[in-house]
Amino acid sequence: QQQVKQSPQSLIVQKGGISIINCAYENTAFDYFPWYQQFPGKGPALLIAIRPDVSEKKEGRFTISFNKSAKQFSLHIMDSQPGDSATYFCAARGAYLGQNFVFGPGTRLSVLP
Amino acid sequence: DVKVTQSSRYLVKRTGEKVFLECVQDMDHENMFWYRQDPGLGLRLIYFSYDVKMKEKGDIPEGYSVSREKKERFSLILESASTNQTSMYLCASKSDSYEQYFGPGTRLTVT
Repeated sequence: QQQVKQSPQSLIVQKGGISIINCAYENTAFDYFPWYQQFPGKGPALLIAIRPDVSEKKEGRFTISFNKSAKQFSLHIMDSQPGDSATYFCAARGAYLGQNFVFGPGTRLSVLP
Repeated sequence: DVKVTQSSRYLVKRTGEKVFLECVQDMDHENMFWYRQDPGLGLRLIYFSYDVKMKEKGDIPEGYSVSREKKERFSLILESASTNQTSMYLCASKSDSYEQYFGPGTRLTVT
């Protein structure tokens, strides 16, 4: 019930294309869903996050789509750039977890020039 | 600017050695975390702390211990390092708001 599933494991996209990464969860007590971006040799950094009371959040080229009934959320990267090449993690947090998060296994994105 | 620092970026230790990984945050956060990161497994929580001198086990605490004597510092201890503890170790901190900040990580190799 605490698990967050993430797909695909890896993704290759041409420059200018759309990158889509999907996550799914089981526990309806989750109330905060962040996405983290991690470059090689660096720690993860918060990219964008959403609460379940909205269906979409957009920040620049990055959009989270949230489907509460399906218990799924996804990250869309529009006009993907080589500089977006990184590993992306979805995560979830719920009040029952205290201050803790559960993370998906990560997606390695490569954007070809 | 938010900052979480870890004492070493790369560390090589021998089996059986006692290993200390240090993490310091400058944001006066109450909550601090230690994760290990392995390919295909994502981030797994080892230990966390909500306050000075308190600690809670995460999902994979076996073989590890922690210490938090000061609010800004959270140490991860491998009492007797083993090869299966070769991994990337990430420290994080957060206030009681939702955002969590990570350090750059320590890549530990146990030979």
